[in-house]
Amino acid sequence: AQSVTQPDIHITVSEGASLELRCNYSYGATPYLFWYVQSPGQGLQLLLKYFSGDTLVQGIKGFEAEFKRSQSSFNLRKPSVHWSDAAEYFCAVGPTNSGNTPLVFGKGTRLSVIA
Amino acid sequence: SQTIHQWPATLVQPVGSPLSLECTVEGTSNPNLYWYRQAAGRGLQLLFYSVGIGQISSEVPQNLSASRPQDRQFILSSKKLLLSDSGFYLCAWGVNTGELFFGEGSRLTVL
Repeated sequence: AQSVTQPDIHITVSEGASLELRCNYSYGATPYLFWYVQSPGQGLQLLLKYFSGDTLVQGIKGFEAEFKRSQSSFNLRKPSVHWSDAAEYFCAVGPTNSGNTPLVFGKGTRLSVIA
Repeated sequence: SQTIHQWPATLVQPVGSPLSLECTVEGTSNPNLYWYRQAAGRGLQLLFYSVGIGQISSEVPQNLSASRPQDRQFILSSKKLLLSDSGFYLCAWGVNTGELFFGEGSRLTVL
């Protein structure tokens, strides 16, 4: 069965520092991959997605993610974190052969940003 | 453009009372619809999803039910709430690539 692992439950970084959030997946084939962000008390917003092609994808708010097939990973990065980036981040995977099958989400990584 | 509305935003209910959370989507037709729940520190749990009117798939046996009376309407219900039903409920709609678009969520507290 497909699964998503986000090894870090909580990460704290200083404002202006770089960020990398880890995501590993288990899937029978190359899946569609997503990163979502959730501010407290809000719904989830799509940051970026990978379907095919260039393995480095750019998203909103200055985020990027790199798909590494050999490592079954899709890590999220940002070169310089802003205080407004403090939120919960979710990685998700979905099948490429059926849009009806629900996405599988990781348990999330909570990001705190300190001055 | 497509929008998703979810209400009520906040709900406080006594144990044993009924529940109805409603979600509607605008600007698209025949969307896939989903109900998720977030309990503190436990990530997103898929409760129900629907690929069409009257078609409901349940992922987790529980005290809740879902219905899709119209193409763009998805309702989450319970006849008798339990304390364990407390949480943050999220409705979402999806496209063929699996990408999901979420509502703003409904915070349910059962006392």
